[in-house]
Amino acid sequence: GAGVSQSPSNKVTEKGKDVELRCDPISGHTALYWYRQSLGQGLEFLIYFQGNSAPDKSGLPSDRFSAERTGGSVSTLTIQRTQQEDSAVYLCASSRTSGSSYEQYFGPGTRLTVT
Amino acid sequence: AQRVTQPEKLLSVFKGAPVELKCNYSYSGSPELFWYVQYSRQRLQLLLRHISRESIKGFTADLNKGETSFHLKKPFAQEEDSAMYYCAPPDGTGANNLFFGTGTRLTVIP
Repeated sequence: GAGVSQSPSNKVTEKGKDVELRCDPISGHTALYWYRQSLGQGLEFLIYFQGNSAPDKSGLPSDRFSAERTGGSVSTLTIQRTQQEDSAVYLCASSRTSGSSYEQYFGPGTRLTVT
Repeated sequence: AQRVTQPEKLLSVFKGAPVELKCNYSYSGSPELFWYVQYSRQRLQLLLRHISRESIKGFTADLNKGETSFHLKKPFAQEEDSAMYYCAPPDGTGANNLFFGTGTRLTVIP
């Protein structure tokens, strides 16, 4: 079946501009995660959605970052007033639910370059 | 929050040599841990989970509660094992934070 999809695959933007990154999780998956993968920094948790519960935003690095999930499915990560340090690969993942033993399925990522 | 530590950012081994990627965790209770792998130009994907006690692509990982470790091992490394490996806990703490390890890039030298 269809896996997690993300768009765009690549995004180049100028410093100070806003960007929106989209994630389509696997149908039926209630949990959705956003991560940032930077060279040499590993995988950094950003935000987590579980069903209709309030999202866990504890990983967002600044108030320029926000995310929403509409209808319990598609999610959008928005970065306002982008900075060069925002350049990274942004990964989305979904799983059937939260809790132990549930595998996360990752999307291909969006490579963001801020010039 | 649950945390895992991968002390080696880079690891190089020769083809046919044994390989061990280290992972230590720092939380109590009954941990459940995963290893994820990202091959070049591919998605991050699950390699194995400790509860299944499985061997995938020749890799195994044993949970050692005494040492709080979950090292990933393979007796004979292959070139196709070159990839980025992440140790990760699930998010069953209720805090809903999932902290992956920083990852280890394995290079198998032909």
